[in-house]
Amino acid sequence: GAVVSQHPSWVICKSGTSVKIECRSLDFQATTMFWYRQFPKQSLMLMATSNEGSKATYEQGVEKDKFLINHASLTLSTLTVTSAHPEDSSFYICSAPRGGHTDTQYFGPGTRLTVL
Amino acid sequence: GQQVMQIPQYQHVQEGEDFTTYCNSSTTLSNIQWYKQRPGGHPVFLIQLVKSGEVKKQKRLTFQFGEAKKNSSLHITATQTTDVGTYFCAGRRAGNMLTFGGGTRLMVKP
Repeated sequence: GAVVSQHPSWVICKSGTSVKIECRSLDFQATTMFWYRQFPKQSLMLMATSNEGSKATYEQGVEKDKFLINHASLTLSTLTVTSAHPEDSSFYICSAPRGGHTDTQYFGPGTRLTVL
Repeated sequence: GQQVMQIPQYQHVQEGEDFTTYCNSSTTLSNIQWYKQRPGGHPVFLIQLVKSGEVKKQKRLTFQFGEAKKNSSLHITATQTTDVGTYFCAGRRAGNMLTFGGGTRLMVKP
């Protein structure tokens, strides 16, 4: 069964509004979670690393004020796309590592964001 | 920065034919992982390779990690329509984040 959940699975919003996406690890704790963005038929681009209890680490070129990340608990990280615009439309996927030595990333099912 | 290149970008095969995707890193990796993403789905972990020259098999899938730990390959023997999807490699340098290759999209004609 799924070990990482994401909510919502899809969202359509008007330009200028903010959208919050939740990523939850099920049955395990994740001090670190990762947020990716994927455009159609393209690879995963790491946006940021979410750290429980501390600030997120953003990849170069990702606006931290636009993509707000909060990792308030060991099982929940949220990504808020603020003042969304059509160019923010994309597939957003989170992942969390489970198990120490294997360091396997378990991905959430993704959230498809469409900004009108 | 670290780059992970994957080829080919696309591959059409007839069902029953073999398929191989190659992954090359500009730097030595501590490990490499392979993922499969079905159309409309999310990436699913397949395997992790850690040792130089390592070869692992999963049924019809064979994964190799190069001796220099800078390249890897995934070979599928006798493809089936269920193999359709995009295969991503993801390399990690010691202490660093995973860097994903561009993916190889496999299409299988029945």
